[in-house]
Amino acid sequence: GAVVSQHPSRVICKSGTSVKIECRSLDFQATTMFWYRQFPKQSLMLMATSNEGSKATYEQGVEKDKFLINHASLTLSTLTVTSAHPEDSSFYICSARDPQLAGGTDTQYFGPGTRLTVL
Amino acid sequence: AQTVTQSQPEMSVQEAETVTLSCTYDTSESNYYLFWYKQPPSRQMILVIRQEAYKQQNATENRFSVNFQKAAKSFSLKISDSQLGDTAMYFCAFMKQGGSRLTFGEGTQLTVNP
Repeated sequence: GAVVSQHPSRVICKSGTSVKIECRSLDFQATTMFWYRQFPKQSLMLMATSNEGSKATYEQGVEKDKFLINHASLTLSTLTVTSAHPEDSSFYICSARDPQLAGGTDTQYFGPGTRLTVL
Repeated sequence: AQTVTQSQPEMSVQEAETVTLSCTYDTSESNYYLFWYKQPPSRQMILVIRQEAYKQQNATENRFSVNFQKAAKSFSLKISDSQLGDTAMYFCAFMKQGGSRLTFGEGTQLTVNP
């Protein structure tokens, strides 16, 4: 149980285009989903937190107009990188949380990640 | 604000041996959760073990166990009978109770040698 999927796993796009990444909780309802960015050999950097049906909360320094997050249902959140540039190339990871899972210990379960390359 | 520190950027161990990864944290919270996640070369983050701060008993999951010292704010991970598949980046993480945000350490790259 507690499986999170991400699609696509890898995407290459041209500079100036927009890219959408989907994050789905497959066997539980995710009241909250999170989006992280990870550079090689570094830790995860939280970009934003999204609760179903409400606006995402962005971390300081993250451009909300560039990284659009939508959490329209309890099983799906999307991250759209608008007008992507080479500096946006990175590994993007989502996670999902259901406080009722894992004996109420509020564990986050992670998707497999999406590698974005902007040419 | 909470901080999590992993002071060992890299470690290595021989197959079948035991290895301990260190983690310390700083918080003013009294109720919280601590986690160890592993990230193998596939980059999929996998939950290894979690500990509730109110529990005195150290968590164990098969070959993985923790040494949780609340007063010292220390949360080390012991891996027994290391296997090649344990090769991964290991992240220690903190979450306050009632919150949702995970604070990660910088990670420890563990290599298990045959």
